[in-house]
Amino acid sequence: GNSVTQMEGPVTLSEEAFLTINCTYTATGYPSLFWYVQYPGEGLQLLLKATKADDKGSNKGFEATYRKETTSFHLEKGSVQVSDSAVYFCALGGGNTPLVFGKGTRLSVIA
Amino acid sequence: SAVISQKPSRDICQRGTSLTIQCQVDSQVTMMFWYRQQPGQSLTLIATANQGSEATYESGFVIDKFPISRPNLTFSTLTVSNMSPEDSSIYLCSVPRTGSTDTQYFGPGTRLTVL
Repeated sequence: GNSVTQMEGPVTLSEEAFLTINCTYTATGYPSLFWYVQYPGEGLQLLLKATKADDKGSNKGFEATYRKETTSFHLEKGSVQVSDSAVYFCALGGGNTPLVFGKGTRLSVIA
Repeated sequence: SAVISQKPSRDICQRGTSLTIQCQVDSQVTMMFWYRQQPGQSLTLIATANQGSEATYESGFVIDKFPISRPNLTFSTLTVSNMSPEDSSIYLCSVPRTGSTDTQYFGPGTRLTVL
């Protein structure tokens, strides 16, 4: 079945540091890939998505590229802020197909 | 974007009791999903609820424990029955975005604590 393996945290970075959160997947076919974010005390929000190989999703300075050859969808940001502190979930599926989530990575950014 | 509300937003319940969680969407959707997020864990799919048919449950979840109703295209309920402390979780409903082949929207979640 489909599965997502995500870099486990917690990750602690200083403000303006570079962020990478690794995500690899196993899937039949070519599912859409997502990054969701959960800020403290809030619900789950879609951060970005990519629907096919080589697509790059981007939002709020975050980027991730759908790499079919390495079955990866790593999340990156060039300069993190304190306000980026949250839990980040990699997921696949979507639409009328239930999402399969990774375990989540907690990011803490310190000033 | 779809607006999804859930009630209650949080509750503290005694073991052995049941709680019904409501999910209301501001547009008609055929399919709804219910997920559970245990403390410090990821989201796990409980069931898929299509209007007009029985919900489809994932492995490890049964209808007697998590009965679901789907009376119309904008509403669903999930009941957590005969609760134990292990049921303490955040329960979320989600729906596919209308016209999208991939995006799903999530409700704000119901934070349940069982004592």
